[in-house]
Amino acid sequence: KNEVEQSPQNLTAQEGEFITINCSYSVGISALHWLQQHPGGGIVSLFMLSSGKKKHGRLIATINIQEKHSSLHITASHPRDSAVYICAVSANTGNQFYFGTGTSLTVIP
Amino acid sequence: NAGVTQTPKFRILKIGQSMTLQCTQDMNHNYMYWYRQDPGMGLKLIYYSVGAGITDKGEVPNGYNVSRSTTEDFPLRLELAAPSQTSVYFCASRGVGTGSYEQYFGPGTRLTVT
Repeated sequence: KNEVEQSPQNLTAQEGEFITINCSYSVGISALHWLQQHPGGGIVSLFMLSSGKKKHGRLIATINIQEKHSSLHITASHPRDSAVYICAVSANTGNQFYFGTGTSLTVIP
Repeated sequence: NAGVTQTPKFRILKIGQSMTLQCTQDMNHNYMYWYRQDPGMGLKLIYYSVGAGITDKGEVPNGYNVSRSTTEDFPLRLELAAPSQTSVYFCASRGVGTGSYEQYFGPGTRLTVT
């Protein structure tokens, strides 16, 4: 069983739609991360959060520590949002990070 | 700051050959990591280091070796390459202290072993 589970695995949306990607984890964490990976590109950090909610432009990330669950929302989606979104957690024991398998998002014009 | 840099970007190896993937960061980060990413799988930790001279195994260390002689550099060595090592390799680093859990990733090295 993976320490981090994401859903859905794949997501296709029309431009302008509101998008939600979910992440559940099973370990104690220091922080949860949302990462973005473009095709053929590197990985960039979008959010790091340990409680509550963060917003950056059209992206919103929330976390519920009690339920061990996080969501990434994209409002007014745009084709340039097409990428793989990865949820990761930094465990509160040891020095390791655990990664979900990613959600591949395609936004159609 | 260049951040985290990796070389080479692409490499094709024959079975049994060896190579070193280079990783350098200029942010004075103590922690450095090597991951591999296989299609449809999450990133898997190969090795990590909490500072110069200190390294430790991750989830999938077999077939790899690392060293950390300086804060900046964390090379990954592949000995006797095998087709199972075909993957994309990412190096990452982070600082220490409260709020320093954010990882910074290099651009990746795409390795094919044939």
